[in-house]
Amino acid sequence: DGGITQSPKYLFRKEGQNVTLSCEQNLNHDAMYWYRQDPGQGLRLIYYSQIVNDFQKGDIAEGYSVSREKKESFPLTVTSAQKNPTAFYLCASSALRGSSYNEQFFGPGTRLTVL
Amino acid sequence: AQSVTQLGSHVSVSEGALVLLRCNYSSSVPPYLFWYVQYPNQGLQLLLKYTTGATLVKGINGFEAEFKKSETSFHLTKPSAHMSDAAEYFCAVSGGGSQGNLIFGKGTKLSVKP
Repeated sequence: DGGITQSPKYLFRKEGQNVTLSCEQNLNHDAMYWYRQDPGQGLRLIYYSQIVNDFQKGDIAEGYSVSREKKESFPLTVTSAQKNPTAFYLCASSALRGSSYNEQFFGPGTRLTVL
Repeated sequence: AQSVTQLGSHVSVSEGALVLLRCNYSSSVPPYLFWYVQYPNQGLQLLLKYTTGATLVKGINGFEAEFKKSETSFHLTKPSAHMSDAAEYFCAVSGGGSQGNLIFGKGTKLSVKP
């Protein structure tokens, strides 16, 4: 079954700790994305990557970091510099060519709560 | 640059009534338009998309949307609401090209009353 997996589903961390959210896809998509979702604010783009070993900042990159060492994987680290990290985090991927061009496929999300 | 406005953060309809969720966009290039649905604590699922061609687009679960260039709109409709349609709906626009990024509206939460 092709798709996107995110783990864990729920994550609790103490303030001041870095935490890494996992995102894996087996759709052979070139592009991957991280979004943050807060109630009433829609989806805000944190980082995206269109090719291995390259990524770009989105609208709210401060306090976050990513890596893209493999095509299938795009982990997101929420650092202690992120002032308000409690949120629902969504990972997505898309093909940059073909019939599903630009359509983004989403993972199930990770709900991060910082105590 | 692209942007999306969804009119109404909450919409409530009775079961069996028409569902109409509004989306207006701005785009400096021919847009690609999408509607996604999100159930609580889940990811987003694509309902339908417009890229080129026929302006009336049919999607899953009986939803459809019409691209109206003159009105810069892409409203989502369903003739008869079902309880299972209760969810949050997001409209998104992309400018196409090599970038592939979607710009999302803030979402509309649909409630369905029995």
